[in-house]
Amino acid sequence: AQSVTQPDIHITVSEGASLELRCNYSYGATPYLFWYVQSPGQGLQLLLKYFSGDTLVQGIKGFEAEFKRSQSSFNLRKPSVHWSDAAEYFCAVGPPVGGGGNKLTFGTGTQLKVEL
Amino acid sequence: EPEVTQTPSHQVTQMGQEVILRCVPISNHLYFYWYRQILGQKVEFLVSFYNNEISEKSEIFDDQFSVERPDGSNFTLKIRSTKLEDSAMYFCASTRMNTEAFFGQGTRLTVV
Repeated sequence: AQSVTQPDIHITVSEGASLELRCNYSYGATPYLFWYVQSPGQGLQLLLKYFSGDTLVQGIKGFEAEFKRSQSSFNLRKPSVHWSDAAEYFCAVGPPVGGGGNKLTFGTGTQLKVEL
Repeated sequence: EPEVTQTPSHQVTQMGQEVILRCVPISNHLYFYWYRQILGQKVEFLVSFYNNEISEKSEIFDDQFSVERPDGSNFTLKIRSTKLEDSAMYFCASTRMNTEAFFGQGTRLTVV
């Protein structure tokens, strides 16, 4: 069965510092990969996605993620964090091409705190 | 930009009562989903719906749950007899074929 692991439950960084949130997955084939962000009391907003092609993908708000097949990882990065980035971040996987619908399996999330 | 809309944003219900959560997916999308997130936990898949029928459901989605697309725009989740443990944020999502899921803002269901 597919699974997603986000090993860091909480991360605190200083504003302006770089950020890396880890995500590892277990799946039978290369899945679709996603990062979503959830601000308190809000819904899930898509930050970026990987379907195929270039393994470094750019997203909104200055975020990027790199797919590493050999490590089954899809880590999220940002070179300089802003106070408004404080939120919960979820990594998710979905079935690959031809899988029909796009049922997602989510990780447990990483809560990001930004210190001013 | 098109978006998925959910109503109500917050619903409080008594244990044993029926609730209907409503969603309007993005108009040209084909697949519709319900997920839930119990407070402090991860987002969990409940059910997917395609071509007017359930295409997949999780073990959470038991006989107390049902989904319906009563017209061309709405997609509903019904919980027949709510339990305390049904308290959660419920998210509706929609996609076209093999694309990212767009999520609504969620309905916070509180069962008392």
